[in-house]
Amino acid sequence: KAGVTQTPRYLIKTRGQQVTLSCSPISGHRSVSWYQQTPGQGLQFLFEYFSETQRNKGNFPGRFSGRQFSNSRSEMNVSTLELGDSALYLCATSSQGLETQYFGPGTRLLVL
Amino acid sequence: GIQVEQSPPDLILQEGANSTLRCNFSDSVNNLQWFHQNPWGQLINLFYIPSGTKQNGRLSATTVATERYSLLYISSSQTTDSGVYFCAAMNTGFQKLVFGTGTRLLVSP
Repeated sequence: KAGVTQTPRYLIKTRGQQVTLSCSPISGHRSVSWYQQTPGQGLQFLFEYFSETQRNKGNFPGRFSGRQFSNSRSEMNVSTLELGDSALYLCATSSQGLETQYFGPGTRLLVL
Repeated sequence: GIQVEQSPPDLILQEGANSTLRCNFSDSVNNLQWFHQNPWGQLINLFYIPSGTKQNGRLSATTVATERYSLLYISSSQTTDSGVYFCAAMNTGFQKLVFGTGTRLLVSP
């Protein structure tokens, strides 16, 4: 089985711009979770999608949003980028929920 | 929400040594996982272990749910074991995985 894929792998943006990141889950996985990793805050949960519905949400501002498509692929969007949004964004997938999570390689976002 | 603490924060070993990493959590859990993050940022799931003991090669893990801790054992460490080890926990009242701050392991040849 192919693993979790994330695109793009690296991204440089400037403050005020918006960005869209993509995550393709392992075949058959319907749950996709997104995490932000920074040196200061560690790994923090953003949100989880299951069958095209947001099921859980972390403590992030509304500038962070996501969606899931019928093929379980998910995108997350960050609008009005701030310097503090520079981070490694990871997605993780599982078949039903938050049991064994399989992570993608991440997208490194740098905001200048 | 649940709090997850890991110790030690840093660990330096010689190749071949054994080590124990600890994860304490503040509430009862229905989900506890251990991950290894390699130097390139890839997170690999090591164990899904909300309770009991599991072994996979040189790695094993034990979770004592009633005492709110989990241990990860690494035996005969190798340089490829270097990286950061995270535990993450979830309880039924708060349906999201909460990660600890990690243990950074360096295994020298």
